[in-house]
Amino acid sequence: NAGVTQTPKFQVLKTGQSMTLQCAQDMNHNSMYWYRQDPGMGLRLIYYSASEGTTDKGEVPNGYNVSRLNKREFSLRLESAAPSQTSVYFCATKPPGQGGKLFFGSGTQLSVL
Amino acid sequence: GDSVTQMEGPVTLSEEAFLTINCTYTATGYPSLFWYVQYPGEGLQLLLKATKADDKGSNKGFEATYRKETTSFHLEKGSVQVSDSAVYFCALSQIQAQGAQKLVFGQGTRLTINP
Repeated sequence: NAGVTQTPKFQVLKTGQSMTLQCAQDMNHNSMYWYRQDPGMGLRLIYYSASEGTTDKGEVPNGYNVSRLNKREFSLRLESAAPSQTSVYFCATKPPGQGGKLFFGSGTQLSVL
Repeated sequence: GDSVTQMEGPVTLSEEAFLTINCTYTATGYPSLFWYVQYPGEGLQLLLKATKADDKGSNKGFEATYRKETTSFHLEKGSVQVSDSAVYFCALSQIQAQGAQKLVFGQGTRLTINP
């Protein structure tokens, strides 16, 4: 049982390049989330998806797009990467009726030069 | 908007010392409160939670009590171990318009326990 799987684990981009961060879960959870983690700022929500086919903006959506491809997968795309997007990105899922209990992937460390 | 404020780290203690990590929150309504822990190189894991005032969450020797009057949820442990070294995040949960729940996290407190 893999839980929440994120790929890649590490990535270095040049300013202006694009890439997609992948997230897949095998727990059959409806809700999925993308967070970024920056030193001294905790985790900030980028986008979330309450169910397949729906997505909503979080606290810091600018510069990102998301796709909820199916129930299992929720991808995060950077169309034109900027140094301010250097961060650690976490995908998370939430089972129904579990309050705020999120299950996190191990993260993607992204550097934009 | 809703927010969570944690004591600034890093915090360094000796093994078997008493630990307190302060957490206060600002929120409308009655949020649920959580402590998450992040071990090196890993994602966050739920440590404990409390869903209403005066509830005490506990797990692995850690405790936190939901104090509505002081809007606080301080994390405590009586005797820390080297294996408790990690980053600790306080968070609150609110239900959104479409029924989805969003967590708002504090900035995290890095804890290092020396043998």
